[in-house]
Formats: sequence, structure tokens, C-alpha cells
Amino acid sequence: NAGVTQTPKFRILKIGQSMTLQCTQDMNHNYMYWYRQDPGMGLKLIYYSVGAGITDKGEVPNGYNVSRSTTEDFPLRLELAAPSQTSVYFCASSYSGAGAGDTQYFGPGTRLTVL
Amino acid sequence: DAKTTQPPSMDCAEGRAANLPCNHSTISGNEYVYWYRQIHSQGPQYIIHGLKNNETNEMASLIITEDRKSSTLILPHATLRDTAVYYCIVSRTGGFKTIFGAGTRLFVKA
Repeated sequence: NAGVTQTPKFRILKIGQSMTLQCTQDMNHNYMYWYRQDPGMGLKLIYYSVGAGITDKGEVPNGYNVSRSTTEDFPLRLELAAPSQTSVYFCASSYSGAGAGDTQYFGPGTRLTVL
Repeated sequence: DAKTTQPPSMDCAEGRAANLPCNHSTISGNEYVYWYRQIHSQGPQYIIHGLKNNETNEMASLIITEDRKSSTLILPHATLRDTAVYYCIVSRTGGFKTIFGAGTRLFVKA
């Protein structure tokens, strides 16, 4: 299994541009998450999904949109990029959460700079 | 989900046990204690989790106090490759709003 994959690894955007960060998992997990991590800080949840067609806001959703049309894919859309969105973005997935809890598996991250 | 408190940094000599503490005094009965670590700028990596009993796997041991208000992650023989930020998280089964705080930055020194 490849696990959780993210593309691109790095990206530089100009203020006002838009882009989509891709995330794919091949573990048949129902739950998927998007986090951002600013330098020296912990991770903050942006959006999450409990299954195809179902998404909800996390702690810091403003400026982002998500969709979940398949179990495998959970893209994150940035509209009108701002310097405050400069960060490292991590996608994660987990099992259904039944039984022993929802251990999350993380992708390698996308490093985004907005200038 | 309950919040956690961890020391910002710790040192450990290579080959010795690293004991990382975590306070979670507001934990409720259906919440698990999870530990993850993040090496440099990589994605966080799951280490271990538990509910009430102590747990051990190939990476570490987790000791949870009887009142469940605190726990300790033990890396039995720390190596230089264990230098990382360690996150203690409390999350209920199916919980979605997992809170990753600043964690503990562990430095393993030769």
C-alpha cells in the first residue's frame, strides 16, 4: 500500500491565485482530514470527512473548501490565496473509528508559500 | 475532546530510556490517549494508544495512571533517530476534532 499520498510537495502562489491540494489514500479508510501546520506550532484541523459526500468544518476552515466524491480522494481547494495561508498542509486518514479508536495515518505534506 | 499539557522540550542520552509525561486532567471515560511523533518536517507518525491499561508495542510503552489524568510515553532505548516532536492527544472513538498541541521536542544526544 502507498498509504496517504499528497501532491504537490511544494508550491509557490501569488496573492489571489487559487489551487487545489490533492490527497489520496489506498487503505479504504472512511475518515479523511486536512491539517495545516505553521512554523513551530502544532497541527490545526481545517476540514474533515466521514465518508464520500460528507464533509464538515474543523478549527480553521476560512479560505478553504473541500469535496469528497470518492472514498480515496479528498482534495483541498484554496480560493484567493493570502500570505496567511503560507503553511505546511497535511492530509490524514483513519479507520471508521469503531472499536479501538481512530488512529490517523498522515501523508508527507505540501509546503505552500503565498507571496 | 480533552486538552493535554506537555513539557516543551526534554533531553535524553542515547541508549537510555526516554520518559515523556502528559497531563490530561479533564479526560472523560470514553476518551483514548494517543501518542504521535513528528520527525523534522515529515507527517506525524502514530506510536501507541490506550484507554485504561498500560500498553506496549515494538516502538514504545504507554503508562496511564489509575485516575487516567496523566500518562507517560516510554521509549526504552532511545536512539538519535528518536529526536522528534512528540504529541500527546486525547480523543474519543470517532472523534473528529483531534487537537495537536505544541508537543514535546525530544533531543536524543550521543
